[in-house]
Amino acid sequence: AQSVTQLGSHVSVSEGALVLLRCNYSSSVPPYLFWYVQYPNQGLQLLLKYTTGATLVKGINGFEAEFKKSETSFHLTKPSAHMSDAAEYFCAVSPTGANSKLTFGKGITLSVRP
Amino acid sequence: KAGVTQTPRYLIKTRGQQVTLSCSPISGHRSVSWYQQTPGQGLQFLFEYFSETQRNKGNFPGRFSGRQFSNSRSEMNVSTLELGDSALYLCASSPRQGDNSPLHFGNGTRLTVT
Repeated sequence: AQSVTQLGSHVSVSEGALVLLRCNYSSSVPPYLFWYVQYPNQGLQLLLKYTTGATLVKGINGFEAEFKKSETSFHLTKPSAHMSDAAEYFCAVSPTGANSKLTFGKGITLSVRP
Repeated sequence: KAGVTQTPRYLIKTRGQQVTLSCSPISGHRSVSWYQQTPGQGLQFLFEYFSETQRNKGNFPGRFSGRQFSNSRSEMNVSTLELGDSALYLCASSPRQGDNSPLHFGNGTRLTVT
């Protein structure tokens, strides 16, 4: 079975500060990992994904994540937060290496202070 | 290209009733997945359809069912509604089933059961 843990439910940063959202996974097979963002009253949008190859993955809107097998982590970062980054962020893992049957973490709400 | 369309956006039903939610995928997408999102349980996979066949199923009771039509549009049905079925139901589509193409989510149908 696979699972994802996102510690904490809320992160608050100042505009221009570093954003760090943590995700740890548990998987019995090589994991395929995703970060999604959800804005209020909207569906989810893919930020980035790790399948195979390079462990540092760059996504949209300046976000990136690094896959660390030794730490079973896939933390999401952005060097400088913008007000428009305020949203809920979900880490997800796939059991098949594909886009099917994703298991999501509980989500983290990011607030950005002016 | 139009995105994933879910109808209706909001729905209020009474316990014991049944409900049908509709999802129109992006043109050309043949795989449709459904997820339930609640504050307590987060995002949970319901089922996935491809070529009118259910390919994967999550851990939900038989009251939850779905189907896919030849034009790839999908519906999900919940019978004998319970208060705990109140949730945001998200539909996602992708070109194919079981590959690395990203899921495209609709804005969801918010179901309230009273």
